[in-house]
Amino acid sequence: EADIYQTPRYLVIGTGKKITLECSQTMGHDKMYWYQQDPGMELHLIHYSYGVNSTEKGDLSSESTVSRIRTEHFPLTLESARPSHTSQYLCASSGDLTREQYFGPGTRLTVT
Amino acid sequence: AQTVTQSQPEMSVQEAETVTLSCTYDTSESDYYLFWYKQPPSRQMILVIRQEAYKQQNATENRFSVNFQKAAKSFSLKISDSQLGDAAMYFCAYRSARGTSYGKLTFGQGTILTVHP
Repeated sequence: EADIYQTPRYLVIGTGKKITLECSQTMGHDKMYWYQQDPGMELHLIHYSYGVNSTEKGDLSSESTVSRIRTEHFPLTLESARPSHTSQYLCASSGDLTREQYFGPGTRLTVT
Repeated sequence: AQTVTQSQPEMSVQEAETVTLSCTYDTSESDYYLFWYKQPPSRQMILVIRQEAYKQQNATENRFSVNFQKAAKSFSLKISDSQLGDAAMYFCAYRSARGTSYGKLTFGQGTILTVHP
């Protein structure tokens, strides 16, 4: 399996709380991505980064924000969680835009 | 914008048999990449096979092979000698090779594959 890690794996949190989902990779990849996936559904790109201090919004609008201060680390933050944010969040990385992306195990978020 | 369609929400196969998962896509680009990813229950998504659009030869990885029909914009996955460990959700994905969408993956809806012993 790829060397890309996500914490926590599961999170249940109340409405209005601020949360940060962690993603890190040890492969030295400069391209990193965040996807949102509802159960049994397709993945939607919500953020991506092609290098340090570079972040872009993806195809699916999201209230979350990301930062890329270090190559290996790409955290996602929700300032005020809502039940509509309940979903699975997958982090991925790639070393080359023509090659495959490697995925982390995902964080399953439930907002009550 | 590119779209990827997997018209089979669920498929099933007997162990040791062969199954084919369908995928079609829509694009105006001539240069791109196609992927099949496997997502086992509660486990990480992993790459199954990759195809470059400029290559006419179909990609093969052990028991997995594709039927890439560029003109028809079709990219099916064939799994031979199915094993219980093949049970998973399979996603077809498209990746542009240039332009504003360069590097981003567009996924299909997924196909759940069940393997019966």
